Amino acid sequence: DGGITQSPKYLFRKEGQNVTLSCEQNLNHDAMYWYRQDPGQGLRLIYYSQIVNDFQKGDIAEGYSVSREKKESFPLTVTSAQKNPTAFYLCASSMVRRPSTNEKLFFGSGTQLSVL
Amino acid sequence: DAKTTQPPSMDCAEGRAANLPCNHSTISGNEYVYWYRQIHSQGPQYIIHGLKNNETNEMASLIITEDRKSSTLILPHATLRDTAVYYCIVRVLGQGRAGANNLFFGTGTRLTVIP
Repeated sequence: DGGITQSPKYLFRKEGQNVTLSCEQNLNHDAMYWYRQDPGQGLRLIYYSQIVNDFQKGDIAEGYSVSREKKESFPLTVTSAQKNPTAFYLCASSMVRRPSTNEKLFFGSGTQLSVL
Repeated sequence: DAKTTQPPSMDCAEGRAANLPCNHSTISGNEYVYWYRQIHSQGPQYIIHGLKNNETNEMASLIITEDRKSSTLILPHATLRDTAVYYCIVRVLGQGRAGANNLFFGTGTRLTVIP
């Protein structure tokens, strides 16, 4: 089955610790995205990548880092600089890398990150 | 940004049609209207999208007004599994740092299907 896999489903972070959320897709999509969702809120874009070895900051990139060494993988690291990391994190991908308004996103099932 | 306005919540009886409205009065001529839904603690699921004409697929129908300032998502026969938050989104192209393919997700409409 093609799709996007996020792991783990639940993750706990200790004070001052960096944690990495995994996102893998086998859809052969060029573009990948990380969103953050807080309770009762919409999604906010953290980082996105349109091609391997390239990524761009979204609206709330501070305290986060990403890498895109492979087309299939786009891991997100929540660093100790992120003072309010508790949230539901969603990874998504889309087929096209060029700007287009006619393209849909495929989402993973999310990772719930909580601070101990 | 062309943003959207949706009612925060709606109820629908099981088996009846659910009609979810959305206002997007600042939409640009080349921006599509997308609908996604999110069941609790899962990732959003694509439902349908359209530009000018009405659209229908196996999940839903999308009715877009002639002036494109509003649209309605129709679930023809709602089931309990359709209980979710429904997001109406206008595709924002190349806005600031948010990039080429960003979708602006608001708070959506929480649809509750009642047995």
